[in-house]
Amino acid sequence: GAVVSQHPSRVICKSGTSVKIECRSLDFQATTMFWYRQFPKKSLMLMATSNEGSKATYEQGVEKDKFLINHASLTLSTLTVTSAHPEDSSFYICSARDHGLAGELFFGEGSRLTVL
Amino acid sequence: RKEVEQDPGPFNVPEGATVAFNCTYSNSASQSFFWYRQDCRKEPKLLMSVYSSGNEDGRFTAQLNRASQYISLLIRDSKLSDSATYLCVVTRHLTGNQFYFGTGTSLTVIP
Repeated sequence: GAVVSQHPSRVICKSGTSVKIECRSLDFQATTMFWYRQFPKKSLMLMATSNEGSKATYEQGVEKDKFLINHASLTLSTLTVTSAHPEDSSFYICSARDHGLAGELFFGEGSRLTVL
Repeated sequence: RKEVEQDPGPFNVPEGATVAFNCTYSNSASQSFFWYRQDCRKEPKLLMSVYSSGNEDGRFTAQLNRASQYISLLIRDSKLSDSATYLCVVTRHLTGNQFYFGTGTSLTVIP
């Protein structure tokens, strides 16, 4: 089946630095990918929809300058957390939909960010 | 009103028990329905799609009630390995990109 890969799985960084997370669709092309954030014991919160070749669509309350999204190819989207602060510490998950498989949404393995 | 609502639980059931979760959705135009399973600190994974006629996969049965706008998941003969959070996911369009997630229902199967 389709697979979405996310990297890195865990990252620890100092406050003020930027962190880039990659999301790749391994065996299908994804014109659209989604980025979520999840706090402990909470549901997934959609942050933005990443569109290949165009600007991402951000959900209300999500700072586009804080969370930079680039979707330069049909298999890769990146999320950069800029000038990270401890409150940005969270579990970030990407997903993509394979339209050839009855619309199933596949998720990356997630990236756990800890900002010190 | 939330697009998708689930009882967060937790549900604590003994091994071998039957347990059922419901999920309600607010938009009658919703087209596709899924149950995902998420283990602690892992990504969600598709458990099963939910079809209008209802569908079964081993110990798992999913049902859709369009009139009342809810979907259900029934787990029979619960195993310890079924312990997880179960997410209800709804989309408005068959090929669209608007996925709406429930908050998840936590299940713990006790030996």
